Amino acid sequence: SQTIHQWPATLVQPVGSPLSLECTVEGTSNPNLYWYRQAAGRGLQLLFYSVGIGQISSEVPQNLSASRPQDRQFILSSKKLLLSDSGFYLCAWVRGQGLGNTEAFFGQGTRLTVV
Amino acid sequence: AQKVTQAQTEISVVEKEDVTLDCVYETRDTTYYLFWYKQPPSGELVFLIRRNSFDEQNEISGRYSWNFQKSTSSFNFTITASQVVDSAVYFCALSVYSGAGSYQLTFGKGTKLSVIP
Repeated sequence: SQTIHQWPATLVQPVGSPLSLECTVEGTSNPNLYWYRQAAGRGLQLLFYSVGIGQISSEVPQNLSASRPQDRQFILSSKKLLLSDSGFYLCAWVRGQGLGNTEAFFGQGTRLTVV
Repeated sequence: AQKVTQAQTEISVVEKEDVTLDCVYETRDTTYYLFWYKQPPSGELVFLIRRNSFDEQNEISGRYSWNFQKSTSSFNFTITASQVVDSAVYFCALSVYSGAGSYQLTFGKGTKLSVIP
């Protein structure tokens, strides 16, 4: 069965520090991978998605970047965090092929607080 | 561009009452998929249901039921005899194929449901 791992679960970082959140998927190959952010009391905002190794699409200009060094690994990074980067970050995957198999499965999320 | 609107930001009901969560979507694609997710206080999103654009048959799963109407671009979610464990934020989402193996998944802003004992 497929599983998705996301870590760390919680993170408190000072303003200006770097960030690296990691997400890995097991049990599937060539998934579409997504990073979402959920600010307090708000909905899910798509940040990045990737259909393959080295391929990243950015939905919103921001202080963040993403990379996909391996098929089942998706990393969210920042060189210098801002207070506004605080939020709940969710990684998700969707099967990359086949109509109908398009539900997204989410990791447990990382609650980031920038202080 | 795709859009999902959940007009109800927060709803409170007393336990055992029925409650309907509204979802209205916009897309120009003729093939698309609609979803409902539940986000309990723990934060993880839990997949509840998927509906494709060619299947307007309503679905019932225990206390949950979904009403998909293409004519009004709505995909509403009803919980019958609500329970305290139903308290969560519920998200409606829309997925369309955007080519090259990529699906664009758009979420509504969510409806926070509080079930009061």
